[in-house]
Amino acid sequence: GAGVSQSPRYKVAKRGQDVALRCDPISGHVSLFWYQQALGQGPEFLTYFQNEAQLDKSGLPSDRFFAERPEGSVSTLKIQRTQQEDSAVYLCASSIPGGLGYEQYFGPGTRLTVT
Amino acid sequence: AQTVTQSQPEMSVQEAETVTLSCTYDTSESNYYLFWYKQPPSRQMILVIRQEAYKQQNATENRFSVNFQKAAKSFSLKISDSQLGDTAMYFCAFMKHWASGGGADGLTFGKGTHLIIQP
Repeated sequence: GAGVSQSPRYKVAKRGQDVALRCDPISGHVSLFWYQQALGQGPEFLTYFQNEAQLDKSGLPSDRFFAERPEGSVSTLKIQRTQQEDSAVYLCASSIPGGLGYEQYFGPGTRLTVT
Repeated sequence: AQTVTQSQPEMSVQEAETVTLSCTYDTSESNYYLFWYKQPPSRQMILVIRQEAYKQQNATENRFSVNFQKAAKSFSLKISDSQLGDTAMYFCAFMKHWASGGGADGLTFGKGTHLIIQP
């Protein structure tokens, strides 16, 4: 079946603009994660959903970051009033809780560049 | 909080050689999972191998194997008979185990090792 998909793949935003990044998880995957990967670094956890419930948002760097998954499938990560330090690749991953050793399946990412 | 350290920013070996990537971690948890993920230049992260902390036997997947030393909090990846397609960033990652089995945790990643396989 299809893997995790993300759109857009690339996004250029002027500083101060709002952006919305979309994630389509694997069908039937209950858990959904967002990560931020700065250039040359490992991904850093942002937030986690189980179905539509956001169970952990401890990694969101500021209140400008907001994520939702209203129907328990597609998720959107929104960044308001973007800043240059928000430039990064945003990765989405999905998994089945407890399934297959908790393997997370990653999407290709959205590369955000804030100018 | 957990930390994961990969001390080798870059490694380069010849095709068909064996290479070992290092990873150490720090945690107060007793039950957890460890992973090695591969991120080729296309950027799609792929699971290479996983290890459950409660298992003493080291995980193996074809040419990939780990040396898991729980007391030392060390989790190295060995790639045998390396191939050109193994060229990628490799990330070591930690995840806390949910005893209830009904939830999951975000992964804590190291900074990665850029592995280059030379022809």
